Formats: sequence, structure tokens, C-alpha cells
Amino acid sequence: DAMVIQNPRYQVTQFGKPVTLSCSQTLNHNVMYWYQQKSSQAPKLLFHYYDKDFNNEADTPDNFQSRRPNTSFCFLDIRSPGLGDAAMYLCATSYGISTDTQYFGPGTRLTVL
Amino acid sequence: QKEVEQDPGPLSVPEGAIVSLNCTYSNSAFQYFMWYRQYSRKGPELLMYTYSSGNKEDGRFTAQVDKSSKYISLFIRDSQPSDSATYLCAMKQTGANNLFFGTGTRLTVIP
Repeated sequence: DAMVIQNPRYQVTQFGKPVTLSCSQTLNHNVMYWYQQKSSQAPKLLFHYYDKDFNNEADTPDNFQSRRPNTSFCFLDIRSPGLGDAAMYLCATSYGISTDTQYFGPGTRLTVL
Repeated sequence: QKEVEQDPGPLSVPEGAIVSLNCTYSNSAFQYFMWYRQYSRKGPELLMYTYSSGNKEDGRFTAQVDKSSKYISLFIRDSQPSDSATYLCAMKQTGANNLFFGTGTRLTVIP
């Protein structure tokens, strides 16, 4: 019954080695979001897709990119991970934007060595 | 000033106690208010969703919104050990995509 699925659940990478995190959804929602959550901090929105339209938050570093090849899948690419990028990465979806609630996946915990 | 303030706790209560969790906010344009529960190393799970001011009840959970005071609360009655988690408040404006989260309150319910 999983609705928002993230893979892998745990990812270890080396400093500077590109990494891709995956999110898929079975809800047929139009909007997909990527959040970064560091320990004991609130989730921070990185960017979102409304259908194919990409919307980047102003303070999201260029090191973070995203792709959405179809409605169901969305990827987060970190081009050159630094130690400060170690965090939980959360994918969320919503049907629309204005009033719709966001449903979160279980997250991917990224460790950078 | 942060958009949303939430006491991080930790908060420990005995089983069966009534728990009160609170957030304050500064942006009067927020209209939609949510509470998420997040277990350790898991994603946030939506618990309650309210629009504007008022109360909403769902089982043992009651959400209250007081827009005049910019203050929201989540009450948990008859708390259970399974309620032990971090509770995040979140809110948004009409037409906006961005959810503003509190930092979360870590709750432990002791059997």
C-alpha cells in the first residue's frame, strides 16, 4: 500500500562522488517535492515539480538538481556531495498546490564520508 | 525571527497523560495548518489538517488553531507508548507551495 516510495533508504557516498536518490508515487499526484532534513531541524524545501514545471527554491545550492521523467518518478541528483549535505532527504507529493496536503515518503538517509 | 517556532522538547509523559504540543507563527497569511508525526528515521506522517481557526478532533487527537494569537496546538488524550515520536507543525498560505515547518517536539510516553 506504499504510496510514496524512496530508494534507497540508506545511501553512503564519498565526498565529491555524485549520488542520485529516487522517489516514486502511486497516487498520480501532479506535484512532487524534495526536502532536506538535518538532525533535529525542520524539513527544508529544495525544489518541486508541478507536472513538468520545475520550481527551484532561491537558496537551494546549484549542487542539487532534479529530474522528473514522468508523473510517477522524480530524482534528486547531488553532483558533488560535501560533508554538509549529509541529511535525510524526503520526497513528498500533493495533488495540487493551493490547498492540498503533502504526503511524505520514508526518506533516504545520506551519509557522506 | 523564524516563521514558525516550536519548542523542541524533549517531552516525557506517563502513559495515559494528556499531551499538549504547541507552535507559534509570525505570518498572518498562513491559512492551512498541519500536524505531522515522525518516528525515528522515518518520513513525516500527516496526522491533522485544519483550515483557518477552530478545532478539529480525530480520535484521541485534537487540533486547535487560534489565528488571532498566531498559535496552534495539538492535544493527545490517553497517550500511549506508540505515540512516542517527533511531532512537527506545518503551515502554508493559500496558493503557495511551500510548507513552513516547526523544528519538531520529541515526545516520549513512558509505560
